[in-house]
Amino acid sequence: DIVMTQSPDSLAVSLGERATINCKSSQSVLYSSNNKNYLAWYQQKPGQPPKLLIYWASTRESGVPDRFSGSGSGTDFTLTISSLQAEDVAVYYCQQYYSTRFTFGQGTRLEIK
Amino acid sequence: QVQLQQWGAGLLKPSETLSLTCAVYGGSFSGYYWSWIRQPPGKGLEWIGEINHSGSTNYNPSLKSRVTISVDTSKNQFSLKLSSVTAADTAVYYCARAPPDSWNDERRDAFDIWGQGTMVTVSS
Repeated sequence: DIVMTQSPDSLAVSLGERATINCKSSQSVLYSSNNKNYLAWYQQKPGQPPKLLIYWASTRESGVPDRFSGSGSGTDFTLTISSLQAEDVAVYYCQQYYSTRFTFGQGTRLEIK
Repeated sequence: QVQLQQWGAGLLKPSETLSLTCAVYGGSFSGYYWSWIRQPPGKGLEWIGEINHSGSTNYNPSLKSRVTISVDTSKNQFSLKLSSVTAADTAVYYCARAPPDSWNDERRDAFDIWGQGTMVTVSS
């Protein structure tokens, strides 16, 4: 299986500041035939299901604020929130869908400092 | 707007069989892959398995011996059965949709729509 490892496990950021979450896969999730990274980011708030934020590593899902952005390729990826808002407090997960044995990172808890 | 609504028994005894169903409303059932994903209390997400409208399945090898996912296309529903449950199977169970990858029939897109979740507790 492709192992997804996120860092840090938890993060506290001041309102209006930048938050950065990293995700590393144990093997490349870049499919050479279409040059796409099969990597998604989800946001999960307490008591709610995960919500898709980013797919193909950097494409925002419809309706997701543009303060959320994804970057990276191959095995190293980053989710950035450019200016943290109170409603962004949540746990964030990366997920690979390169292999149909889908796997998730362990999650990063984002809080307000 | 597509919605997934799920239901099933929330309290089981060890060795019993977990049974959950997810219904798809407001959109197409065919052409997509339908998954079950679980989350133990306070922990991360684990993919259990998937099925498509024709009944083709794909399971997590770690659970494969105990999992059965089935589909009822007449009702736009799919179901999960997990046998011989133990306390380690206590979790919130989600159903989710993955579109097919337009580039490659063997792959999927990300999970774009999720059910509300069902808490299943295994306790004697």
